[in-house]
Amino acid sequence: KAGVTQTPRYLIKTRGQQVTLSCSPISGHRSVSWYQQTPGQGLQFLFEYFSETQRNKGNFPGRFSGRQFSNSRSEMNVSTLELGDSALYLCASSLAPSTDTQYFGPGTRLTVL
Amino acid sequence: GESVGLHLPTLSVQEGDNSIINCAYSNSASDYFIWYKQESGKGPQFIIDIRSNMDKRQGQRVTVLLNKTVKHLSLQIAATQPGDSAVYFCAARGNMLTFGGGTRLMVKP
Repeated sequence: KAGVTQTPRYLIKTRGQQVTLSCSPISGHRSVSWYQQTPGQGLQFLFEYFSETQRNKGNFPGRFSGRQFSNSRSEMNVSTLELGDSALYLCASSLAPSTDTQYFGPGTRLTVL
Repeated sequence: GESVGLHLPTLSVQEGDNSIINCAYSNSASDYFIWYKQESGKGPQFIIDIRSNMDKRQGQRVTVLLNKTVKHLSLQIAATQPGDSAVYFCAARGNMLTFGGGTRLMVKP
């Protein structure tokens, strides 16, 4: 069974631009969570989707948004990029929200110049 | 709010020795705990989990111990190998999964 895939793997943007990251969960998994990982803050929860609905949201500004499609694939968007948004963005999938182990993808490394 | 912390940011061990990585959590309502391993350039990889109704669980060369009284869990790796070198995260599930800051395990040959 294929694991969680994320595209693109690397991205370089400039301040003020926006970016969209994509995540395809493990087949059969319906829950997708997004995390931001930085050296200073560690792994921080962004949001969780299940059945196309956002179930939980972390403490991030409204510039960070996401959505989930009927096939469970998910995207997250960051608008008006800031230097501090440079991070590894990780997607994790599970069978169901909050009750199952999350399996992570390789991440998208975003660099904001 | 919830927090999960790690006692040591870096742990250096000799190849063949046992490693112990510790983690403290703050939410006494946490009912499920996971250890992840993250190698450079990769996403976190599930190692082992334990539910709050257990105090010990063993896997292949790994053991997780849970002490709910002091809200502490540990990951023990037996006969540590160079391939075990990575950052290890604990995570605790309350309302959501909360991760610790990570411990870097370095294995000396």
